[in-house]
Amino acid sequence: AQTVTQSQPEMSVQEAETVTLSCTYDTSENNYYLFWYKQPPSRQMILVIRQEAYKQQNATENRFSVNFQKAAKSFSLKISDSQLGDTAMYFCAFMGQGAQKLVFGQGTRLTINP
Amino acid sequence: EAGVAQSPRYKIIEKRQSVAFWCNPISGHATLYWYQQILGQGPKLLIQFQNNGVVDDSQLPKDRFSAERLKGVDSTLKIQPAKLEDSAVYLCASSLVGQQITYNEQFFGPGTRLTVL
Repeated sequence: AQTVTQSQPEMSVQEAETVTLSCTYDTSENNYYLFWYKQPPSRQMILVIRQEAYKQQNATENRFSVNFQKAAKSFSLKISDSQLGDTAMYFCAFMGQGAQKLVFGQGTRLTINP
Repeated sequence: EAGVAQSPRYKIIEKRQSVAFWCNPISGHATLYWYQQILGQGPKLLIQFQNNGVVDDSQLPKDRFSAERLKGVDSTLKIQPAKLEDSAVYLCASSLVGQQITYNEQFFGPGTRLTVL
């Protein structure tokens, strides 16, 4: 079974700083998807960024980028120029090809301070 | 485009009572998911439907939890009888099609927070 581990329960940075959230996963599959989701206090899960395992190029979405290391099974999220609205729980998630079900990590609570 | 709707947003019950949650997916989405999110943890899949058929219910505690998706649209999740450890947020999500080679984004509803006293 796949597992996803986030080793940082909480992080806190100042507005405009850069922050990196860590995630490792375990799978025997070769093709899969990895995600970072944001969950603000409203509880609605919002997709931040997606990475396909067969793509070597790291995904980027505006201020959000990932560092995908397939051999090390590592998938970190970098948030540049952090904003107050980035304050939320962040979840790393795995999806095997064909299964379409998400396996989530425990989450990292990120606080952006003014 | 309307998002995934869930009701109620909050529910408080006593242990051994029953409770039901409702989910209306995005129009046209064939696949519907129910996740359980216990405080301090990531969501865990309880059950996945494609149209009105069950694809995966391997982590659904079937002695007390049941779910149905009538006519392949709305879905209800029921707990009977509830236990203290069922206190959690119940998230519903939907996607265009599941069980395919290509990826289909899951869109989440706002969740129902259940407190069992």
